[in-house]
Amino acid sequence: DQQVKQNSPSLSVQEGRISILNCDYTNSMFDYFLWYKKYPAEGPTFLISISSIKDKNEDGRFTVFLNKSAKHLSLHIVPSQPGDSAVYFCAASGTFLPTQGAQKLVFGQGTRLTINP
Amino acid sequence: DGGITQSPKYLFRKEGQNVTLSCEQNLNHDAMYWYRQDPGQGLRLIYYSQIVNDFQKGDIAEGYSVSREKKESFPLTVTSAQKNPTAFYLCASSIQDLGRPQHFGDGTRLSIL
Repeated sequence: DQQVKQNSPSLSVQEGRISILNCDYTNSMFDYFLWYKKYPAEGPTFLISISSIKDKNEDGRFTVFLNKSAKHLSLHIVPSQPGDSAVYFCAASGTFLPTQGAQKLVFGQGTRLTINP
Repeated sequence: DGGITQSPKYLFRKEGQNVTLSCEQNLNHDAMYWYRQDPGQGLRLIYYSQIVNDFQKGDIAEGYSVSREKKESFPLTVTSAQKNPTAFYLCASSIQDLGRPQHFGDGTRLSIL
C-alpha cells in the first residue's frame, strides 16, 4: 500500500496567520516526504522536504513536521501571504520501482490554500 | 536558465489519432518522469527513465509510449489505445539520488476534439 492522503480539499486562512496543511500516509517504507506548490496551468514547484529519520525541517516561513508513529506530516506556513494561495501537494518518496535506485513519488490529492487579505 | 520545457502547452487530439508531447531538460538530470493529473486527483506516474535508451512503465502506462534517445529529451506519445486521454500531463526530472526532489515542467493540457 503506497497511499498518500490529503483529507482537506481546501483551506482558507487570513493573511498573516498560520496555515497548516496536513497529510497522512499508510506505508512505513517511505524514505522522504516532500511538499510541492502548484499554480493553475503550471507545473508543481518543490517547496520543502523531510527525511523519514527526522521530525522537523524548517526553511524560512515553511516548516514541515513528521510524526512517524501516526504516519502524519504537516506543512506550516507562517506568516501566510497572499502569494501563498495555490494548491499544495504532499508527496512521499521510496524505492518502490523495480529498477534499482529509481525513486517513485506518490502524491496526495492536493489542498487548495486561499489566503484572504 | 536551467529547467524543463514542455511543448505544446495545449494540444487537441482527434479520435483515433496519436499525439506526441515534448519534454526537454537542460539540468543534466539522469532520471526523467511522465505524470498525468486529473481534476481533484494527485499526479500518477505513467513512465520513467533512469538512463538513455532505457525506460520503465509506471502505474498507468497502458495507451502510452515513450523513448529516451537523448539524455535531455523524453517525449511521450498518447496513442489511440488510450481511451481517456483528456488530462494535464507533467514531465519531471531529477538527480538519481534518494531524497532529491523532482523538478517539473509547466505541463501540457491534452483535450479530445
